Amino acid sequence: QAQLQESGPGLVKPSETLSLTCSVSGDSIGIYYWNWIRQPPGKRPEWIGFVYFSGDTYYNPSLESRVTMSVDASKNQFSLNLSSVTAADTAIYYCARRLVASNFAFDIWGPGIMVTVSS
Amino acid sequence: VLTQSPATLSLSPGERATLSCRASQSVDTYLAWYQQKPGQAPRLLIYDASKRASGIPARFSGSGSGTDFTLAISSLEPEDFAVYYCQQRTNWLTFGGGTKVEIK
Repeated sequence: QAQLQESGPGLVKPSETLSLTCSVSGDSIGIYYWNWIRQPPGKRPEWIGFVYFSGDTYYNPSLESRVTMSVDASKNQFSLNLSSVTAADTAIYYCARRLVASNFAFDIWGPGIMVTVSS
Repeated sequence: VLTQSPATLSLSPGERATLSCRASQSVDTYLAWYQQKPGQAPRLLIYDASKRASGIPARFSGSGSGTDFTLAISSLEPEDFAVYYCQQRTNWLTFGGGTKVEIK
């Protein structure tokens, strides 16, 4: 069974770039769609986008202008960059794998990493 | 937009829970349900409106299509008290506001 683990800074200054990495263990990063989802404390989750193992990406239109995702198959990792952050980007950030049998549900999630945007 | 109701459901162990999720436009059967406990990531319960994810107990069932969906828990176990979210796929992916199932 695959396991995911997010890593990166827990504190980012306003206007800077938030950078997170998700490490995949127990399975190859190949053939799956890898997603980032965030959840402000006490609120509903928000899907950020996905990166395919080939490098193809698709982002939430509301965040598209600030988001970049990439995959490093040699390290079995994928990454998220979110630029020009503000306090509204404070949230728990999750990486998640899309279920093979579905084209939209997420069957495996990382534990999440809390990222606070503050000076 | 996905609207979940009720916001909070107060029930006792052993009772049946019925949660609703309504979409502002048809999502066909592209609907999933998740359970989230405090400090944990969401856990997939149901996908494609009615298919149970791997390892999910049979007391969880999903139904519906188009704009109206239901998640039913036939007999609440102590570990079922949590927040439940629905999620849909149209042009992109969105989640409902959640229903909290609490112990009465």
